Amino acid sequence: EAGVVQSPRYKIIEKKQPVAFWCNPISGHNTLYWYLQNLGQGPELLIRYENEEAVDDSQLPKDRFSAERLKGVDSTLKIQPAELGDSAVYLCASSKRTGSDTQYFGPGTRLTVL
Amino acid sequence: AQTVTQSQPEMSVQEAETVTLSCTYDTSENNYYLFWYKQPPSRQMILVIRQEAYKQQNATENRFSVNFQKAAKSFSLKISDSQLGDTAMYFCAFMNSNFGNEKLTFGTGTRLTIIP
Repeated sequence: EAGVVQSPRYKIIEKKQPVAFWCNPISGHNTLYWYLQNLGQGPELLIRYENEEAVDDSQLPKDRFSAERLKGVDSTLKIQPAELGDSAVYLCASSKRTGSDTQYFGPGTRLTVL
Repeated sequence: AQTVTQSQPEMSVQEAETVTLSCTYDTSENNYYLFWYKQPPSRQMILVIRQEAYKQQNATENRFSVNFQKAAKSFSLKISDSQLGDTAMYFCAFMNSNFGNEKLTFGTGTRLTIIP
């Protein structure tokens, strides 16, 4: 069974440029999460989807960040415009459903903003 | 809000020895889940072990076991017969079992190095 797939693995951009990250969850997993991991820290939740619906986006900086999961499978996280402080690892995770199910993580995208 | 504390930023141990990583958490909930994740340099966050708070028995997975002390809000990870491949960052994480609040709260991690 394939795991959570993310692309790109690395991205380097200049500040004020837009950037997008893509995530394909494990087949059959209805719940999808985007986490932000700063250097030397644990991941922090940005947004959680149940199928197509964003059910928890309270930690998503909505002035510059947006996300979508149009068909309830793949998801895209976008930053526009990027700032220096956005340099971090962006992790995607999925689980079968909410509640007790374990979350499985992708390899992450390391973003560097110059 | 829940908090997770890992008080050991770095640890090292000789190969084949046993090592214990500490984790404490703070919550007012009675039902929840606790996890240990491993993150090697490849950045892939890998589940090591999971514990349900309602279970008194400590979870075990091969060389990995936990010491879950609910009253003390402590959840330590023991790695027996450590191997070079165990070198990684280890994160303790908490998840509330209440429907609609299923986000993981992570600690700051412990960097574990296994010395040949």
